[in-house]
Amino acid sequence: AQSVTQPDIHITVSEGASLELRCNYSYGATPYLFWYVQSPGQGLQLLLKYFSGDTLVQGIKGFEAEFKRSQSSFNLRKPSVHWSDAAEYFCAVGARGGATNKLIFGTGTLLAVQP
Amino acid sequence: NAGVTQTPKFQVLKTGQSMTLQCAQDMNHNSMYWYRQDPGMGLRLIYYSASEGTTDKGEVPNGYNVSRLNKREFSLRLESAAPSQTSVYFCASSERALEGTQYFGPGTRLLVL
Repeated sequence: AQSVTQPDIHITVSEGASLELRCNYSYGATPYLFWYVQSPGQGLQLLLKYFSGDTLVQGIKGFEAEFKRSQSSFNLRKPSVHWSDAAEYFCAVGARGGATNKLIFGTGTLLAVQP
Repeated sequence: NAGVTQTPKFQVLKTGQSMTLQCAQDMNHNSMYWYRQDPGMGLRLIYYSASEGTTDKGEVPNGYNVSRLNKREFSLRLESAAPSQTSVYFCASSERALEGTQYFGPGTRLLVL
């Protein structure tokens, strides 16, 4: 069965510092992989996604993620964090094929940004 | 283009009351989904509809029913609300051809007393 693990529940970084949020997945084949961001009181917004091809994926707001098949990971990175990046981040895995696109979400990582 | 809209934004119910959460999308998507979000649990799929006229159970369907009224609308009904259903509910939609990208509504916060 598919599963997603985000090992860090809460991370605090200083503004301007680099960021890496970890995501590990369990799936029998190469899945679809997503990162979503949720600002307080808001819905989820897609940051980036990986379907195939180049394993380094660029997203919105200066984020990128790298798919590493050997490590079953899809970590999210940003070279310089801004205060507006404070939010909760969710990694999700989707199964290839089938009639619909069901996603399995991780439990989220809450990012705090210190001035 | 409003995307995915949900009503109401916030609701308080007493145990045993019923209510329907409404969701509509204007992106002509085939698939629609209902999730609940609880602290430390991420999002869990309640029900989904692969296409108009079909619905299927997700991970946590007990205590809920759904109706895919037409291609645009997908409602979630709580027949007899319980405190365990206190949560934030998100509706999402996707076009199957877009390989999994789901677009989310702003959520409905439900408190069951």
